[in-house]
Amino acid sequence: VQVVQSGTEVKKPGSSVKISCKISGYIFTDYHMHWVRQAPGKGLEWMGRVDPEDDETSYAPKFQDRVIITADTSTDTSYMELTGLTSEDTAMYYCTTLRVAGAVDYWGHGTQVTVSS
Amino acid sequence: DVVLTQSPLSLPVTLGQAASISCRSNQSLVDSDGNTYLNWFQQRPGQSPRRLIYKVSNWESGVPDRFSGSGSGTDFTLKISRVEAADVGIYYCMQGTHWPRTFGQGTKVEIK
Repeated sequence: VQVVQSGTEVKKPGSSVKISCKISGYIFTDYHMHWVRQAPGKGLEWMGRVDPEDDETSYAPKFQDRVIITADTSTDTSYMELTGLTSEDTAMYYCTTLRVAGAVDYWGHGTQVTVSS
Repeated sequence: DVVLTQSPLSLPVTLGQAASISCRSNQSLVDSDGNTYLNWFQQRPGQSPRRLIYKVSNWESGVPDRFSGSGSGTDFTLKISRVEAADVGIYYCMQGTHWPRTFGQGTKVEIK
């Protein structure tokens, strides 16, 4: 199994970022894809998830108004777009299956997003 | 949101000794299907998190049995029976019963 995320991003305050996460080695529609972020020196924070089978999404209330998570079954890729960036959004962003049951769970290597003027 | 409180936040351990991390929830993590969705993750320095335990006490594939999870309801524990140098990192509990998913603050395990 491989979970490959897009590369480092440097953004201006107020702009948007869109990160990709391409999987291989398992059936994309078998598991939801979640996005989790980690600010420098801080803990893990769940942002939201998408069900690739039917595009159903759910988001953490904190991000509800400015995050969009999608899944493209033609390329086995999930995307996370975050708008209205501030310095508080500087973090490592991970895609993950974040399974609560079942013997395997997959994580991407992370995408560093830096927001700076 | 469900709040998970881990303790201790820092855990210096002697190599070969046991370590124990507590995770307490402000709500029951028993799902309507009867399962309790409490996971434990390990994050080694500079790496992505890795799931160790799911549903309180089930091992992720490939995880050594030095790691064990226990607990019920609102009170959970991760134990490392004999700490090795490779165990250094931050350990997080996470609940998968309620939305949104939430994590504990993390416990940093280091070698004395």
